[in-house]
Amino acid sequence: KNQVEQSPQSLIILEGKNCTLQCNYTVSPFSNLRWYKQDTGRGPVSLTIMTFSENTKSNGRYTATLDADTKQSSLHITASQLSDSASYICVVRGSTLGRLYFGRGTQLTVWP
Amino acid sequence: NAGVTQTPKFRVLKTGQSMTLLCAQDMNHEYMYWYRQDPGMGLRLIHYSVGEGTTAKGEVPDGYNVSRLKKQNFLLGLESAAPSQTSVYFCASSYSGTGRSYGYTFGSGTRLTVV
Repeated sequence: KNQVEQSPQSLIILEGKNCTLQCNYTVSPFSNLRWYKQDTGRGPVSLTIMTFSENTKSNGRYTATLDADTKQSSLHITASQLSDSASYICVVRGSTLGRLYFGRGTQLTVWP
Repeated sequence: NAGVTQTPKFRVLKTGQSMTLLCAQDMNHEYMYWYRQDPGMGLRLIHYSVGEGTTAKGEVPDGYNVSRLKKQNFLLGLESAAPSQTSVYFCASSYSGTGRSYGYTFGSGTRLTVV
């Protein structure tokens, strides 16, 4: 069964600290993996997209890694800011019909 | 370039009422999708369209209908609303490719409450 599992479910960190969010998936065949940021009351916004051959992708203070062999990805946030408080969703796109599989998200709260 | 626009943003319906949610995109995307998001769950695909005049069922299609009469618009209809359809609905669009550049663009959502 194609699934995307994220951990932790929620996370609280202090402003300026780093954190890492995890994503494990069983989707096969695999096309690409995306990390989205969803602010409360808004739609998801893409942070990074990685294909099978890419191991690391950065977008400012966000760095995503992908291990296609172990089917694991992580999103590392450096020097967190209050505006990083949001839900971070891991999404895997399968090769069959391009269907998306969504994780339930990690709710990140950054405290001052 | 507005991206993906959803209307309305909020709506309260009584059980049994009908309504239509409108999604419009101005990026000339071929694919369009309707998702629902419920607390503690990932987004679930309701229906999708791979081009003008075509629609297909997703994971949770029951109780919903869709139409794609124009490439830029994708309508989601509820014929007889039920409390179980209380949710936040997101529309998304994308190009037809599967490479990394073919990202999805999401609308800002419609919060629907059925009482």
